[in-house]
Amino acid sequence: ETGVTQTPRHLVMGMTNKKSLKCEQHLGHNAMYWYKQSAKKPLELMFVYSLEERVENNSVPSRFSPECPNSSHLFLHLHTLQPEDSALYLCASSLGTGRLNEQFFGPGTRLTVL
Amino acid sequence: DQQVKQNSPSLSVQEGRISILNCDYTNSMFDYFLWYKKYPAEGPTFLISISSIKDKNEDGRFTVFLNKSAKHLSLHIVPSQPGDSAVYFCAASSLGGSQGNLIFGKGTKLSVKP
Repeated sequence: ETGVTQTPRHLVMGMTNKKSLKCEQHLGHNAMYWYKQSAKKPLELMFVYSLEERVENNSVPSRFSPECPNSSHLFLHLHTLQPEDSALYLCASSLGTGRLNEQFFGPGTRLTVL
Repeated sequence: DQQVKQNSPSLSVQEGRISILNCDYTNSMFDYFLWYKKYPAEGPTFLISISSIKDKNEDGRFTVFLNKSAKHLSLHIVPSQPGDSAVYFCAASSLGGSQGNLIFGKGTKLSVKP
């Protein structure tokens, strides 16, 4: 595997379910990100991790819980989601969090909340 | 309110002609701008960037122009090729912004017809 991978690629869940999204980067990067892209909206940054420490949390509801066990893996744990949380969730990584560091994106997980 | 605006949701161009994608921003603190390209079922990939100390940056068929006084940037693709058909996102960041935080536009879908 190369680059940034995400699993699953598609997920349908009910509002009472608990699920997790997984991201893995094979680039030796130190920073990882979760983004959300809702229909007809721009990509929105949710969380930033640098060397496994969360450095940004952009006012994301607590029903989204990130976890970064090491610099190669990032999870997004989901529980009691709402239908409006249906969106494309993209993971990205970069060498550092400095803004000149190019972010490499995974293909995303298409989430549907029923 | 959106800080980065791509007012054209779609653009259709004939192969071999020039494609011009536009982006406007409202935050005068933005000083670094990027374009990303996204194919269906893939994550966005970095295309080209420009710092506010420049007004033009060129990379092969791709040129980005920055007009700071108008808070406007544009991406020129010449000549356009069918493989350029994708969604193009404009993004911006500021020196004082939070770590790794890129502000994205909604994207413009470019279709290059053979």
